[in-house]
Amino acid sequence: DGGITQSPKYLFRKEGQNVTLSCEQNLNHDAMYWYRQDPGQGLRLIYYSQIVNDFQKGDIAEGYSVSREKKESFPLTVTSAQKNPTAFYLCASSAYWDRVNEQFFGPGTRLTVL
Amino acid sequence: AQKVTQAQTEISVVEKEDVTLDCVYETRDTTYYLFWYKQPPSGELVFLIRRNSFDEQNEISGRYSWNFQKSTSSFNFTITASQVVDSAVYFCALSEAGANSKLTFGKGITLSVRP
Repeated sequence: DGGITQSPKYLFRKEGQNVTLSCEQNLNHDAMYWYRQDPGQGLRLIYYSQIVNDFQKGDIAEGYSVSREKKESFPLTVTSAQKNPTAFYLCASSAYWDRVNEQFFGPGTRLTVL
Repeated sequence: AQKVTQAQTEISVVEKEDVTLDCVYETRDTTYYLFWYKQPPSGELVFLIRRNSFDEQNEISGRYSWNFQKSTSSFNFTITASQVVDSAVYFCALSEAGANSKLTFGKGITLSVRP
């Protein structure tokens, strides 16, 4: 089955700790994205990557970091510099880097910082 | 800058009622794309439709229909004969054309369909 997997589904961390959220896709999609969702806020773009070894900041990149060493993987690290990290994190991918096309989403990771 | 406004935050209907979800967008580009996504309680966003700015034809897919009107910058979504399974958060999104295009989402509309 082709799709996007995110792990873990729920994640609890103590304040001040870095945490890495996993995102893997087997759709052979070029582009991948990370969004943050807060209640009543819609989705906001954190980082995106159009090709391997390249990524761009989105609207709310501060306190986050990413890597894209493989086409199928786009992990997100939430660092201790992120002031309010508790949120629902969604990973997405789209087929082509050079044109607009729909994004497909993973099931999300709910991060709670205690 | 592009912007998507979903003025309705929550809608509650009884099963079999028709319901329309509004979406108004702002963009300076002449070429752009509009999307609707559904987010059921499980959390994963499900793609429903993509429409480009040059195609103003309305679209129908089963009980779903979309009305795109450039004159009013709106891309409204109607569910006919709603069902309990339609209960979800619905997002409208906009993307401008270009290799670096990104999705700008509205804040979403929570639809509750009661039996």
